[in-house]
Amino acid sequence: DQQVKQNSPSLSVQEGRISILNCDYTNSMFDYFLWYKKYPAEGPTFLISISSIKDKNEDGRFTVFLNKSAKHLSLHIVPSQPGDSAVYFCAASGDSWGKLQFGAGTQVVVTP
Amino acid sequence: DAGVIQSPRHEVTEMGQEVTLRCKPISGHNSLFWYRQTMMRGLELLIYFNNNVPIDDSGMPEDRFSAKMPNASFSTLKIQPSEPRDSAVYFCASSGQVSNQPQHFGDGTRLSIL
Repeated sequence: DQQVKQNSPSLSVQEGRISILNCDYTNSMFDYFLWYKKYPAEGPTFLISISSIKDKNEDGRFTVFLNKSAKHLSLHIVPSQPGDSAVYFCAASGDSWGKLQFGAGTQVVVTP
Repeated sequence: DAGVIQSPRHEVTEMGQEVTLRCKPISGHNSLFWYRQTMMRGLELLIYFNNNVPIDDSGMPEDRFSAKMPNASFSTLKIQPSEPRDSAVYFCASSGQVSNQPQHFGDGTRLSIL
């Protein structure tokens, strides 16, 4: 039962342009959402998070938007840089222990 | 600051052998999580601990898998006996005491069972 879904397995974007990654969830009990970035042979690295009481959180080039009514969140990267080429995972939590459900990931390739 | 440390980074062994993966969480973190990543199933949670106590092991695939956390700075995931289908990357992650804290991951152990 996949409660967090990333329907785009890959995304190619030109350097300097905006990257938009999407994530949908089914569990209305989720109240904390995160994005992780993963390079090959490394563990996922925390990027940015958002609580369900907010609809936007920004950190430098990264902005996460949350639409609770649609059960949808997105990650915007502006401007995209070659070092942003990685797999991005969306994750969600709905319990006090911090247990996370992960999406399948989106491979982002930033081209010069 | 030291992050989550996992060892070994790579393990190749023959089926039937016992495998032990190790994890040192970030100092001060009180929650520890073990994940497995495969192409078919993605990142799946196996078990997690809070204050060294196992909270939920429903993700552990079989009785061949066991995990312990004898103290706040060390955890092990053991597979005995190992099978080829256990081949995967195993990640350990830890998080802090305040709720809604992100988990921080180690670089994983790539396990190959021949």
